[in-house]
Amino acid sequence: ELKVEQNPLFLSMQEGKNYTIYCNYSTTSDRLYWYRQDPGKSLESLFVLLSNGAVKQEGRLMASLDTKARLSTLHITAAVHDLSATYFCAVDRSAYGGATNKLIFGTGTLLAVQP
Amino acid sequence: NAGVTQTPKFRILKIGQSMTLQCTQDMNHNYMYWYRQDPGMGLKLIYYSVGAGITDKGEVPNGYNVSRSTTEDFPLRLELAAPSQTSVYFCASSYVVIGSNQPQHFGDGTRLSIL
Repeated sequence: ELKVEQNPLFLSMQEGKNYTIYCNYSTTSDRLYWYRQDPGKSLESLFVLLSNGAVKQEGRLMASLDTKARLSTLHITAAVHDLSATYFCAVDRSAYGGATNKLIFGTGTLLAVQP
Repeated sequence: NAGVTQTPKFRILKIGQSMTLQCTQDMNHNYMYWYRQDPGMGLKLIYYSVGAGITDKGEVPNGYNVSRSTTEDFPLRLELAAPSQTSVYFCASSYVVIGSNQPQHFGDGTRLSIL
């Protein structure tokens, strides 16, 4: 059974600081997605990571994927208040390169950036 | 484009009542999904569809039914509402072809309380 764990579950950080959110998963997959959710809102796609060593950056956020370690990271550089949200990673139950498009979500990391 | 539209946005049901959550998308996506999100948790897949006339169970299908008569619409039905079905329900869609890895696009959610 595929399990996806994120840590930390809650992160309070000051503006201007750097931090990393970790996403570990338990079985083979080479497709991982990061989403952002603002309180009471829907999910917004941030990154799609498709292969070992994939790295993508958008603004102050950078995501990477290590399929051998079954680990993805979301790095936040010089945090600003607008980044406050819940961040989810989601893993496709793919095997041997075939995507199923059925996602298993982590429990989310609630990020609070304090002025 | 409206994207993924869900109705209603909020609903309160009594135990044992039934209702249908509506979902429609105007992006000509072939895949559609229903998720539920319990407080402080990630999303869990209820049902999904790979095209009109084809549906399949996700992680937590018990107590729900779906149909997909058109590409655009994917309603979710609760036949006998139970308190355990109190949750936020998200519909999503994606365009899936071999070699394409697009993220899923989410609706704004339906907040359902069963009392």
